[in-house]
Amino acid sequence: EIVLTQSPGTLSLSPGERATLSCRASQSVSSSYLAWYQQKPGQPPRLLIYGASSRATGIPDRFSGSGSGTDFTLTISSLDPEDFAVYYCQQYGYSYRWTFGQGTRVEIK
Amino acid sequence: EVQLLESGGGLVQPGGSLRLSCAASGFTFSSYAMTWVRQAPGKGLEWVSSISGGSGTIYYADSVKGRFTISRDNSKNTLYLQMNSLRAQDTAVYYCAKGSAYSGNYCFDYWGQGTLVTVSS
Repeated sequence: EIVLTQSPGTLSLSPGERATLSCRASQSVSSSYLAWYQQKPGQPPRLLIYGASSRATGIPDRFSGSGSGTDFTLTISSLDPEDFAVYYCQQYGYSYRWTFGQGTRVEIK
Repeated sequence: EVQLLESGGGLVQPGGSLRLSCAASGFTFSSYAMTWVRQAPGKGLEWVSSISGGSGTIYYADSVKGRFTISRDNSKNTLYLQMNSLRAQDTAVYYCAKGSAYSGNYCFDYWGQGTLVTVSS
């Protein structure tokens, strides 16, 4: 099973600042089968990024994903007030298992 | 517009059973894999089970294998999760999610609002 470790656990930033979230895999993630999700309180997760760097439908271009192998990054170029939420990375389908990281909370400083 | 509506959650005693349903609309249901993901109160996301578009491939997390059964009825555009031998650790919000492909490696591009399952005496 691929274990995903996200850092930091919590990120305290102000609106307009840049957010950089990290996701490290215990082994290489094949063909960049790595996704990022956003979850706000009381809501289901929403797909932001798939294939490590492709934005999902309707996702603003301030969200970008990068990385390969075992190290991946989600960047929010300029935080909007609606971006304060929990973010999860996910690897999909390796050995017919899907795993999520433990999440990074982005909170208002 | 893709819509996923879960139902069937509730309070059940340890050792009991429950069947969750997820009614789908807004896309060709049989062309996509479907998945159940759960989230314990205050915790992160845990993948539970996935089924391909034609039900040919089915996968389970080790934590539920042998107790949960995923199925789908493509004629009714509905996904199911039969949960038996429930434990307190199964308490969670259960989300139905649409896969981004028919089978293989896929992420989850649309999610339902979730249904709460509470296992307690």
